Amino acid sequence: SQQGEEDPQALSIQEGENATMNCSYKTSINNLQWYRQNSGRGLVHLILIRSNEREKHSGRLRVTLDTSKKSSSLLITASRAADTASYFCATDAWGNTGKLIFGQGTTLQVKP
Amino acid sequence: EPEVTQTPSHQVTQMGQEVILRCVPISNHLYFYWYRQILGQKVEFLVSFYNNEISEKSEIFDDQFSVERPDGSNFTLKIRSTKLEDSAMYFCASSLQGQHQPQHFGDGTRLSIL
Repeated sequence: SQQGEEDPQALSIQEGENATMNCSYKTSINNLQWYRQNSGRGLVHLILIRSNEREKHSGRLRVTLDTSKKSSSLLITASRAADTASYFCATDAWGNTGKLIFGQGTTLQVKP
Repeated sequence: EPEVTQTPSHQVTQMGQEVILRCVPISNHLYFYWYRQILGQKVEFLVSFYNNEISEKSEIFDDQFSVERPDGSNFTLKIRSTKLEDSAMYFCASSLQGQHQPQHFGDGTRLSIL
C-alpha cells in the first residue's frame, strides 16, 4: 500500500502568497513529518506532528493532522522565492524502528 | 550546526562491481538509516541500524546489501554486485534518541551503474 501521498504534485505561486500541500496516508502512525528537498540536496526536516496532536506551528509553517481522515496539510505563509523546493510528507508507524515512508512530494515554485 | 556528511557525492561503477558508500552521522546520534531515491521516484527506506545491528530492513535490502559501523564515526552501505537498477541517490540519515524522532539527512551519494 502507498503511504504519504501528496497533492498537488506541483504548485506555482507568487512570492507573498500562501502555499498549501496535502498528504494522505493509509496506516496508523506514531507521527508524521514534513521534509524539504532543494534540488540536488538532501532532505531537511521541517516539522514533526505526533498522532495525538492536531496542529503545530513553526515560524511560517503550519501543519495539521487529521487521524480520522488519515491526512495532513502543510501551509507555508507569506512564501518567498527561497521556499522553492520539493516538499515531502513521511509517516512513521507505531512499532517501527523509525522507518519513514515518504510520499512522491509536492514541487513548489515561488516566483519573485 | 552538526551535519550528516556523505562521500563520495557521485560514484560511477561498472555493473557487477562492489561499491561502498560512506556516511558520517552526527556525532551523538544513536540511530542510523539508509534510504534511496531513484530518479523521479519516492525516497525509499532501505535499512535502520542501532546498537551495532540492523533493526529493520526493507524488501529492497537483499543479500547484496550490507551495512557496517566500522568505528565510532563512520556508517557504510556496501553493495556487493551492483546492477543497473541500483542507480539512484543514496541518503544516509541519523537521529538522536530512538525511533519516532526527526531524522537528519546527508546530501546523498549519486550512484551511477554503467
